[in-house]
Amino acid sequence: QQQVKQSPQSLIVQKGGIPIINCAYENTAFDYFPWYQQFPGKGPALLIAIRPDVSEKKEGRFTISFNKSAKQFSLHIMDSQPGDSATYFCAAVTGTASKLTFGTGTRLQVTL
Amino acid sequence: DTEVTQTPKHLVMGMTNKKSLKCEQHMGHRAMYWYKQKAKKPPELMFVYSYEKLSINESVPSRFSPECPNSSLLNLHLHALQPEDSALYLCASSQVGSPRSTDTQYFGPGTRLTVL
Repeated sequence: QQQVKQSPQSLIVQKGGIPIINCAYENTAFDYFPWYQQFPGKGPALLIAIRPDVSEKKEGRFTISFNKSAKQFSLHIMDSQPGDSATYFCAAVTGTASKLTFGTGTRLQVTL
Repeated sequence: DTEVTQTPKHLVMGMTNKKSLKCEQHMGHRAMYWYKQKAKKPPELMFVYSYEKLSINESVPSRFSPECPNSSLLNLHLHALQPEDSALYLCASSQVGSPRSTDTQYFGPGTRLTVL
């Protein structure tokens, strides 16, 4: 059962564009929402994370928007660069960090 | 320092071989994990160790055998693998916090395993 739905599956934007990746969940027991960035052949790296009592969080060019009532959250990448080309996974944590549920992933390509 | 290291980076083995994957973290985390990741898919949980004890085994075949020698090290022993076991094997670690912790898992770079 897919508990975190992620879209789109793939995304192509031009340099400087603002790609947006969306995730939705149903389990109200989720209480922390990290995003991971993964380059080919590498492990997922924690990018940014948010608690459900916060509506927005920014770290550099990366912003998470969170809508608790709609059970949706999204990642925005400002002024995207070719180096941002990677696969992005949203995730959700239940209780302790040992319970991590991933979305299906979004392959982002930033072109020149 | 949020670093998890894994060795080797690449491993090619035959179906009759015995090999081991190693993982190490120095973040003081007391939970460690093994994941398997196929191309274009999210990581799939295999095992969880909490305070050096196996707490979760996601019905993984016995040809995969985990071991946690101490709080910093995690091994995955491989024996009689099948070609479909070829994948990226990821190690991760995290705090073992109280409920409503705001921590998450930190991943190593992975071992690319090819079974011939």
